Amino acid sequence: SQTIHQWPATLVQPVGSPLSLECTVEGTSNPNLYWYRQAAGRGLQLLFYSVGIGQISSEVPQNLSASRPQDRQFILSSKKLLLSDSGFYLCAWRYRVNSPLHFGNGTRLTVT
Amino acid sequence: DAKTTQPNSMESNEEEPVHLPCNHSTISGTDYIHWYRQLPSQGPEYVIHGLTSNVNNRMASLAIAEDRKSSTLILHRATLRDAAVYYCILDEDSGYSTLTFGKGTMLLVSP
Repeated sequence: SQTIHQWPATLVQPVGSPLSLECTVEGTSNPNLYWYRQAAGRGLQLLFYSVGIGQISSEVPQNLSASRPQDRQFILSSKKLLLSDSGFYLCAWRYRVNSPLHFGNGTRLTVT
Repeated sequence: DAKTTQPNSMESNEEEPVHLPCNHSTISGTDYIHWYRQLPSQGPEYVIHGLTSNVNNRMASLAIAEDRKSSTLILHRATLRDAAVYYCILDEDSGYSTLTFGKGTMLLVSP
């Protein structure tokens, strides 16, 4: 069966510090991968998606970047965090367009 | 972008059926209708999806209008664990389709 791992579960970082969140998927190959963010009390905002290694599409220009160095690994990064980067970050995968989306357990990031 | 409209919140009693509506008047002929739910402090969970015909699975049923401009998620017997935010979203049939989540419907279930 397929599983998605996302870590860490919680993170507190000072403003101006770097960020690296990692997501890996097991049990499948060439998945479509997604990063979403959910601010407190808000809906989900799509940040990045990837249909293959090295292929990253950004939905919203901001202080974040994403990379896919391996087929089942998706990394969300920032060089300098802002207070507005606080939120609940979710990684997700699916086989292909029109198939169900499967989410990880998320990382709750607090920037202080 | 394809969009959906859902009520902000709905209430139900435990063990009663729940019908969660969704309007998607701009749906294209090849767009799939997806439903997800999110419990507090968790990632969204897939519930069900369909294209034209009604769909059933162990979690819920999806009733799709004949003109496909609306759909209804049906929970046959609500439990307290069904209290969550339910999202109805359209999955556009393109090579780079992304799923855009709106604010969803918060379902409150009373004992």
